[in-house]
Amino acid sequence: GAVVSQHPSWVICKSGTSVKIECRSLDFQATTMFWYRQFPKQSLMLMATSNEGSKATYEQGVEKDKFLINHASLTLSTLTVTSAHPEDSSFYICSAREPDRDTGELFFGEGSRLTVL
Amino acid sequence: GQSLEQPSEVTAVEGAIVQINCTYQTSGFYGLSWYQQHDGGAPTFLSYNALDGLEETGRFSSFLSRSDSYGYLLLQELQMKDSASYFCAVPISARQLTFGSGTQLTVLP
Repeated sequence: GAVVSQHPSWVICKSGTSVKIECRSLDFQATTMFWYRQFPKQSLMLMATSNEGSKATYEQGVEKDKFLINHASLTLSTLTVTSAHPEDSSFYICSAREPDRDTGELFFGEGSRLTVL
Repeated sequence: GQSLEQPSEVTAVEGAIVQINCTYQTSGFYGLSWYQQHDGGAPTFLSYNALDGLEETGRFSSFLSRSDSYGYLLLQELQMKDSASYFCAVPISARQLTFGSGTQLTVLP
């Protein structure tokens, strides 16, 4: 199956700083990638859809100025959490589908656990 | 909008069979997926049903009834490593997934 890689796996930062998370599709081109956030013991909540070469589409309630998404190439999407605060501490996971395959399968990156002190 | 309901917790012993149910309400329906997630890990794909009926993949099977807006994941011959969270999910516009709240499965020795 397709491989999606995410980096970093863990990040600890001070309140007020910005953190960038990278998501790469390693063996396929992904025109669209999805960013999810997951709090402990909760489900995955879609934050935004990242579109190569155009603006991301954000879900209701997600601040686009706080969670900056850039999808500059067909294999890389980045999520930047700006001016992070402790309430932003969460597990952030990216995902993508293989193009032209309708198997219902999303391939997920390993996830990035953000802790804001 | 979309909503999916599944039990929050299920406990069973090794070797047993467990069924995790999922009922959904969607504005459009393209299929029902199941994902497994171990603590601290990313979700991994288990199965996908686009049509009614049973899909079998080894010890895991998934069933869908579109008329009942209902599906289930069946896990047979439970093993300790099956302890994880299980999510049902439905695709929505732009092909992203909406996930259910998740079922925490605990397998006891």
